[in-house]
Amino acid sequence: AQSVAQPEDQVNVAEGNPLTVKCTYSVSGNPYLFWYVQYPNRGLQFLLKYITGDNLVKGSYGFEAEFNKSQTSFHLKKPSALVSDSALYFCAVRTRIYNQGGKLIFGQGTELSVKP
Amino acid sequence: EPEVTQTPSHQVTQMGQEVILRCVPISNHLYFYWYRQILGQKVEFLVSFYNNEISEKSEIFDDQFSVERPDGSNFTLKIRSTKLEDSAMYFCASSEGWWSRQTDSYNEQFFGPGTRLTVL
Repeated sequence: AQSVAQPEDQVNVAEGNPLTVKCTYSVSGNPYLFWYVQYPNRGLQFLLKYITGDNLVKGSYGFEAEFNKSQTSFHLKKPSALVSDSALYFCAVRTRIYNQGGKLIFGQGTELSVKP
Repeated sequence: EPEVTQTPSHQVTQMGQEVILRCVPISNHLYFYWYRQILGQKVEFLVSFYNNEISEKSEIFDDQFSVERPDGSNFTLKIRSTKLEDSAMYFCASSEGWWSRQTDSYNEQFFGPGTRLTVL
């Protein structure tokens, strides 16, 4: 069965420090991987995706993520955190099945708190 | 920037009542989805919809649920007889297509702000 795990419910970082939000996945075959962010009272906003190619993917707001096939991980990173990055972050996966549809399977979310 | 909208933002209903949640996807998008998130739990896929029919549905999406695209802009989720356990945040999403030939990439899904459904 396909699954996504975000092992940390909460990550606390000081502003200006690097941040990492962890994600591991379990799917059959090669996955498509995504990160979404949710601000209070807002929908899920797309941050970045890995489809193929370079293992380091760059996305919105200075975020990047590193795909590691051997460790089945797709950790979200940012070199220097901002207070405004504080939000709920979701990792998601979709398997490479060429059919209509395209459901995303989400992790449980990680609350990122960046303190001044 | 175009966005997915959902109404209402919060719906309170009595157990056993029917509810209809409404979504307006991004106008040139062809694929539509519903997800839900029970408080404190993961975001879960419910159903995907393309070309006026369901493409895929989860085991959560039983006979009490239905989806419809009644006109060219709205996409609705109906729950016929609500249960307490249907209380959740319901998210609508849309995507331009399944695969973009231009970018040779899977098209990401764009999500609405959600409707919080409370069943009493």
